[in-house]
Amino acid sequence: SYELTQPPSVSVSPGQTARITCSGDALPKQYAYWYQQKPGQAPVLVIYKDSERPSGIPERFSGSSSGTTVTLTISGVQAEDEADYYCQSADSSGTLGVFGGGTKLTVL
Amino acid sequence: EVQLVQSGAEVKKPGESLKISCKGSGYSFTSYWIGWVRQMPGKGLEWMGIIYPGDSDTRYSPSFQGQVTISADKSISTAYLQWSSLKASDTAMYYCARPRSTLGYYGMDVWGQGTTVTVSS
Repeated sequence: SYELTQPPSVSVSPGQTARITCSGDALPKQYAYWYQQKPGQAPVLVIYKDSERPSGIPERFSGSSSGTTVTLTISGVQAEDEADYYCQSADSSGTLGVFGGGTKLTVL
Repeated sequence: EVQLVQSGAEVKKPGESLKISCKGSGYSFTSYWIGWVRQMPGKGLEWMGIIYPGDSDTRYSPSFQGQVTISADKSISTAYLQWSSLKASDTAMYYCARPRSTLGYYGMDVWGQGTTVTVSS
């Protein structure tokens, strides 16, 4: 079955830039979506269609795509950004969804 | 306000059946897909499947095909996730979610509060 690969953890100091990657063979053909999940809460969509930001999501969150890898970038990381981040996309047919394994962002 | 409200926590024994619900409000329920996502304790999100309440078109992840049934009753704006015979490994939080666009079923920007299912003898 199709898989998306994320690093298990990323650590940054406040004010620095965090980059979280997600790799998958179908990513050149399928959009990626990014979610933030804090403990005990439902996920929140922070990026859709590779690089679009929903209303209400801070501008420091951005997304990009290059070949089989998409990247979530958080510029000027704040303590409140500490959370688990998941990418989501679809298989090559676009029919079935899949999540990456998740990345725990730690703000040092 | 657009929202999805899920049914309450469940505690069941192995082999029992279960049906949990997700009621949509504040939008046209038949115009958006609704998906189900599993999160086992301490683990990541898993895409289980999705249904279009307008015509009940349903897609399942291969990992969940045959293990659960997704359905919807558009007359009461409610989607369901059901099991015919629960296992201990079904213990998890289950979320329903709606995509931000009527044009597809990815990019979930409305989530239910989650339903905790505990299966234990």
